[in-house]
Amino acid sequence: EVQLVESGGGLVQPGGSLRLSCAASGFTFSSYWMHWVRQAPGKGLVWVSRINSDGSFTNYADSVKGRFTISRDNAKNTLYLEMKSLRAEDTALYFCAREDLGYSYGFWGQGTPVTVSS
Amino acid sequence: QSALTQPASVSGSPGQSITISCTGTSSDVGDYYYVSWYQQHPGKAPKLMIYEVSNRPSGVSNRFSGSKSGNTASLTISGLQAEDEADYYCSSYISSSTLVVFGGGTKLTVL
Repeated sequence: EVQLVESGGGLVQPGGSLRLSCAASGFTFSSYWMHWVRQAPGKGLVWVSRINSDGSFTNYADSVKGRFTISRDNAKNTLYLEMKSLRAEDTALYFCAREDLGYSYGFWGQGTPVTVSS
Repeated sequence: QSALTQPASVSGSPGQSITISCTGTSSDVGDYYYVSWYQQHPGKAPKLMIYEVSNRPSGVSNRFSGSKSGNTASLTISGLQAEDEADYYCSSYISSSTLVVFGGGTKLTVL
């Protein structure tokens, strides 16, 4: 069974940092491109970042470029999102998701909440 | 990048059919067959319902179908059931640094 389990969210002050993790199991993690998608409270889904299967290529939404870093450890079957210079508008539930056919997300984690507030 | 445009809400009675539209541009929906649809119940993670415009993942009911015409994609749910009540989001690949753009979401109410 495919499972994606996020962790690392929490309350952080504006300007602070946080590192999210996503532990994958039930599939060959190293064969798949992975994404982070976020959802602000009561709002819609927003794409954040993508990393290719071996970690050599990344993409970022303009709103997080230069502040967030996506990475992965295929030996540990884990995806990461390093977030710096956090802003109130980064407050959201952060999901990791596996990229499947046609840029679709066939599997999602349950999300980890990030709250940026003083 | 602006989100794809979806109606904020739609409703239907059990057994009826409804259609949710998703309007983009020639840079996303209009130029690629990489449109997906997701169902999200409150407090839950999204679930993939349609990929590549009209394909259903294994396990998804054939009451769900997708199509595309020009810059607008559509999700049709036939034979509405109470369990279909949820938020629905479309997404598309986009030829820019943004990579994937989502619609604002549509709340489906089953009357």
